[in-house]
Amino acid sequence: EVQLVESGGGLVQPGGSLRLSCAASGFTFSSYWMNWVRQAPGKGLEWVANIKQDGNEKNYVDSVKGRFTISRDNAKNSLYLQMNSLRVEDTAVYYCARDPVAAPYYDYWGQGTLVTVSS
Amino acid sequence: DIQMTQSPSTLSASVGDRVTITCRASESISTWLAWYQQKPGKAPKLLIYKASSLEGGVPSRFSGSGSGTEFTLSISSLQPDDFATYYCQQYNRYSITFGQGTRLEIK
Repeated sequence: EVQLVESGGGLVQPGGSLRLSCAASGFTFSSYWMNWVRQAPGKGLEWVANIKQDGNEKNYVDSVKGRFTISRDNAKNSLYLQMNSLRVEDTAVYYCARDPVAAPYYDYWGQGTLVTVSS
Repeated sequence: DIQMTQSPSTLSASVGDRVTITCRASESISTWLAWYQQKPGKAPKLLIYKASSLEGGVPSRFSGSGSGTEFTLSISSLQPDDFATYYCQQYNRYSITFGQGTRLEIK
């Protein structure tokens, strides 16, 4: 069974940093593009970043470029999102999601982890 | 970036009704479109990919159509479990955007 389990969310002050993790199981993690998608409270979905199977290609939404870094460790079946210089508008539930065929669309999602940026 | 506009924003319907949700892209995206269903407090669930391909395990009452800039998601006979929020998503390698969502509520 495919499982994606996010962790690392919490309350952080504006300007602070946080590192999210996503533990994958039930599939060959190294064979898939992986993504982070976020959802602000009561709002819609926003794609944040994705990373190629070998980690050598990464893409970001403009609003997080230069502040967030996506990475992966295929030996640990894990996806990460390092978030620096956090802003109030980064407050959201962050989901990791699998891209099944490098399309990208997302066939499996984690349960999400809440990041709250507030003073 | 490509903008995705869904209509309506809210749709009221009854069990057994047929409903259609529309998604329009600001420029042509061929058939690079997916549809998701999301229930409160849960992660989105993939329903349709490549505009009209039904994801495995999704009931056949869901269908998608369209190409270019206009797309539709149809539910042929609403079931109680279908009342949720629906999102379209366009995708290419460097630009991925979602519609603002359509809330499907019980009339």
